[in-house]
Amino acid sequence: AQKITQTQPGMFVQEKEAVTLDCTYDTSDQSYGLFWYKQPSSGEMIFLIYQGSYDEQNATEGRYSLNFQKARKSANLVISASQLGDSAMYFCAMREDLYGNNRLAFGKGNQVVVIP
Amino acid sequence: DVKVTQSSRYLVKRTGEKVFLECVQDMDHENMFWYRQDPGLGLRLIYFSYDVKMKEKGDIPEGYSVSREKKERFSLILESASTNQTSMYLCASSFSGAFSGNTIYFGEGSWLTVV
Repeated sequence: AQKITQTQPGMFVQEKEAVTLDCTYDTSDQSYGLFWYKQPSSGEMIFLIYQGSYDEQNATEGRYSLNFQKARKSANLVISASQLGDSAMYFCAMREDLYGNNRLAFGKGNQVVVIP
Repeated sequence: DVKVTQSSRYLVKRTGEKVFLECVQDMDHENMFWYRQDPGLGLRLIYFSYDVKMKEKGDIPEGYSVSREKKERFSLILESASTNQTSMYLCASSFSGAFSGNTIYFGEGSWLTVV
């Protein structure tokens, strides 16, 4: 069964606008971690932000914030004030802490294109 | 800065060849991973290793093997390459344990084409 679901089609975003990328997850574990990565066309995976399942506040890192809704099992990424360099694939991933091995399951990704 | 280095960025190999993809990390991480990335499928875990000479199968281990003789180096081996193994391969590493903020760091990827 798919553990991470990212279903949005490719998105075009106007520069300086905010964009929200949806991510829902499936786990029966109480302790888990959620990650977002960015992959530009060069191929490298860049870590953006982390949210632990017991964290009470939504994570923020600069222009990135994570809208964590535990009851709905969603962990949406919000990018504020989009820049041209934000054009990339974005992947949501989950670690289930039960296994203790830091292994991540990834979603299929969201393509974002920022237009001037 | 954490550095995960994959030895080859682009490779073209023939069907049936034995292929080695090498990965080295410089952060003394216990864990190392090999993922495969295909359009529309995201990243799928092939194998991971949590210590020298230790390995565990991921979600799609068929057709692959791995070797970890030294802590900093993790090799992915395609014993007999096939065209359906044409893909991008990503190596990653992290500290062991599922603790808050334990980030996985990735290499730049190796684009493998099997003809």
